[in-house]
Parts: sequence; C-alpha cells; structure tokens
Amino acid sequence: DAGITQSPRHKVTETGTPVTLRCHQTENHRYMYWYRQDPGHGLRLIHYSYGVKDTDKGEVSDGYSVSRSKTEDFLLTLESATSSQTSVYFCAIRDRGGFMQYFGPGTRLTVT
Amino acid sequence: GNSVTQMEGPVTLSEEAFLTINCTYTATGYPSLFWYVQYPGEGLQLLLKATKADDKGSNKGFEATYRKETTSFHLEKGSVQVSDSAVYFCALSPGNQFYFGTGTSLTVIP
Repeated sequence: DAGITQSPRHKVTETGTPVTLRCHQTENHRYMYWYRQDPGHGLRLIHYSYGVKDTDKGEVSDGYSVSRSKTEDFLLTLESATSSQTSVYFCAIRDRGGFMQYFGPGTRLTVT
Repeated sequence: GNSVTQMEGPVTLSEEAFLTINCTYTATGYPSLFWYVQYPGEGLQLLLKATKADDKGSNKGFEATYRKETTSFHLEKGSVQVSDSAVYFCALSPGNQFYFGTGTSLTVIP
C-alpha cells in the first residue's frame, strides 16, 4: 500500500461542465501519474508530474490539464467535460527505485 | 516509439491448467518490463518485473523472462487457480513514462 487515495471515487456530470479529480499520496513520492482506462485500450497516460509545479503531457492529454502545488496532491481537471471522457481514471506514483508504479483505487467518471 | 502488444483475450482455463499470456514490445533503449494484475473494481497491482535482458521476474507462481532477442516478456504459470482470475497487463518503462498493453482477461473455472 503506497498510501494513494483518489477522490471522488464515482462522479456523474453533464457535458460542458468542469470536473476536477484529486490524487493524494502520503509518502512524499516525486513522480505522480494520471491514466485513463478504457476497454480495448488498456491504460493510457494523460499527464504526469516529476515535482511540484513540474508536469508533462502523456499520450492522451488533449482536453485535460493538471496541477501540482504540493508534493502530496496531483489534480486532474477536465475544463469542459465531453462524453468521450467517460472513463475510469487512475492515479499512480513511481517508487523511489524508479522501477515500479503503485496505483490508486480509481475514479469512475460518467459524462452524460 | 514505445509500445506493448499482448495477446487478445479473454482466456478461459480450467483449474490447474498451464497459463501463457504473450507479450511483445517495441522500445527505445533498454526498458524495464512489468506484469500488472487487476482484480475487479480495483487498481492495478504489480505482479512481477525484470529490469534487464535475461532477467526472470517471479511472484506467486507466475514467471516471465526478459528476452531482448525476441523483444518478448511472456507471462507463465504452471498451475492456475480460481483466485488467479483477473485482467493482466504487460507494461514497459524506458524512463519516466510507462506504457501498457491492452490487457488480457483470464477466467479460471473449477
């Protein structure tokens, strides 16, 4: 258990509304990641962070932004949610050895 | 670029059968390779890893060998149990980012 929590765990929202998902870790890991999981696509990286205020884009970053103002929190924002962003979102950290990731429990987001 | 291809599922086996889930990869440099497992309603958990060519990762009876010559990292288990039913993901990491396959669903029937 790497002390990763995600909130909310479930959310239903309407098209065009902003949504923010939160990832919180308790063990001071430098690297944090946001993925989305969709059938037939596995996990795809949205954004990741390598320190406070340091972020980079992943494979599917369009329509998403992130912020990391504190080591322990990594926020994912959908500025204007679309139905194509209906998915399960996972946060992850990378361990200090650099080889492994640990995942949070996920957030199921439905955009109607 | 970096990518992972794993065998399509779903896979259904009887208890105590032999399991192989194929995984091949394309990568720049010398990535680390991983297998993750996901149980229903949960996040992914690391199952095993290998960080260099010819390394064998193992855990809970599962094994995979990093084969650079064939760019493969196939997952095997000699005798599966009902509790092994889950989705298995192959992944690679050349550095800061991780790349995942699409997942293979395994169901083990008694």
